[in-house]
Amino acid sequence: DAGVIQSPRHEVTEMGQEVTLRCKPISGHNSLFWYRQTMMRGLELLIYFNNNVPIDDSGMPEDRFSAKMPNASFSTLKIQPSEPRDSAVYFCASSIDRGQDYSGANVLTFGAGSRLTVL
Amino acid sequence: AQSVSQHNHHVILSEAASLELGCNYSYGGTVNLFWYVQYPGQHLQLLLKYFSGDPLVKGIKGFEAEFIKSKFSFNLRKPSVQWSDTAEYFCAVRSYNQGGKLIFGQGTELSVKP
Repeated sequence: DAGVIQSPRHEVTEMGQEVTLRCKPISGHNSLFWYRQTMMRGLELLIYFNNNVPIDDSGMPEDRFSAKMPNASFSTLKIQPSEPRDSAVYFCASSIDRGQDYSGANVLTFGAGSRLTVL
Repeated sequence: AQSVSQHNHHVILSEAASLELGCNYSYGGTVNLFWYVQYPGQHLQLLLKYFSGDPLVKGIKGFEAEFIKSKFSFNLRKPSVQWSDTAEYFCAVRSYNQGGKLIFGQGTELSVKP
């Protein structure tokens, strides 16, 4: 299994530009998470999907951020327009989620991250 | 506010010293508990997890953690650290009262001196 695949690994862009980050979860996983990691705020959950449906987007910082999951094997996180304060490492993670009693599930596997720098 | 708290921001130890990193959470109900490790420049990897049963769980690389329900704690321990344990360690809690979100603590940076 190739694990969770994220692209691009690094992105440098100018303020005001649109940024699209991509994630391919592990095949068979039905939950997908987007996290943002910064020195100041640590790891923040932005949004998560279950069976392609957004369950909780309360961590999305503002309307400039949007996330989609058109099918079970692909998700995007879009920032438009980007700002310098969006500079961070964005991680995607996936898991099999069958509820709290399934001891083999509910472990998140993380991708390598996308490091975004907005100038 | 409900949260996950890690007591130490940065810990510096010499090789062979014992390690204990504190983690407390404030979520009620059933929780799944995790420790993840992030080596320099790498992504997060699962170190160990607790779902139910024996509150003392063993993970990879000689790490273990103890769930103490009455104290809402899940401290990470290792009897003898190595230089290769230098990394950032994150405690995380998944509470089904919170819709199944996995919430991370602030992280503890561990530096092990050779």
